[in-house]
Amino acid sequence: QSALTQPASVSGSPGQSITISCTGTSSDVGGYNYVSWYQQHPGKAPKLVIYDVTNRPSGVSNRFSGSKSGNTAALTISGLQAEDEADYYCSSYTTSSTLVVFGGGTQLTVL
Amino acid sequence: QVQLVQSGAEVKKPGASVKVSCKASGYTFTTYGITWLRQAPGQGLEWMGWISPHTGNTNDAQNFQGRFTMTTDTSTSTAYMELRNLRSDDTAVYYCARGGYFDGYNWFDPWGQGTLVTVSS
Repeated sequence: QSALTQPASVSGSPGQSITISCTGTSSDVGGYNYVSWYQQHPGKAPKLVIYDVTNRPSGVSNRFSGSKSGNTAALTISGLQAEDEADYYCSSYTTSSTLVVFGGGTQLTVL
Repeated sequence: QVQLVQSGAEVKKPGASVKVSCKASGYTFTTYGITWLRQAPGQGLEWMGWISPHTGNTNDAQNFQGRFTMTTDTSTSTAYMELRNLRSDDTAVYYCARGGYFDGYNWFDPWGQGTLVTVSS
């Protein structure tokens, strides 16, 4: 069981917006702005799309945005495109001995 | 461009050790950290640890009961991860990723291509 809770799957049609949630506790997501999001296509290495809750790395589409409220972070993808179909993982710093925790991943299907 | 290139797949027997390399290029190796992560087949991601090539400082996940060691060679811009006393549940794709200078908690970018380590008798 992963330390952060994500929905197993979400779906949306091209052009729509979707939001993936990532719920933790005050010891991780709620207590620190060290939440990041990763996109992973099948058989490929993950790619950073959001870091420090809201920041987008250079080269990542501005269709990707991040937010946080309390113990829940969220990744929003607007204007869905077929290439966005992938698995998405959130991660956070944690005060536990593991130091970093991930969510179990969310499979995004573009209908 | 920034790139991390890892060594090839390994097959090991239980109880053996494995050492994976990660060669960095496209940036100054000592100005960022290197993070190690793994992903078991069909499973999610697990953070293993972080090392500063500049200072040699490390942080690790305390999940590996002293079986896990990270090192770097600044002369070749290469990081290494060694996992000892391998068990079947260590079977996974192991990734290196560039991380922050001061710690390895908040971002991992870019990632190496991954190294599959299979532990089987």
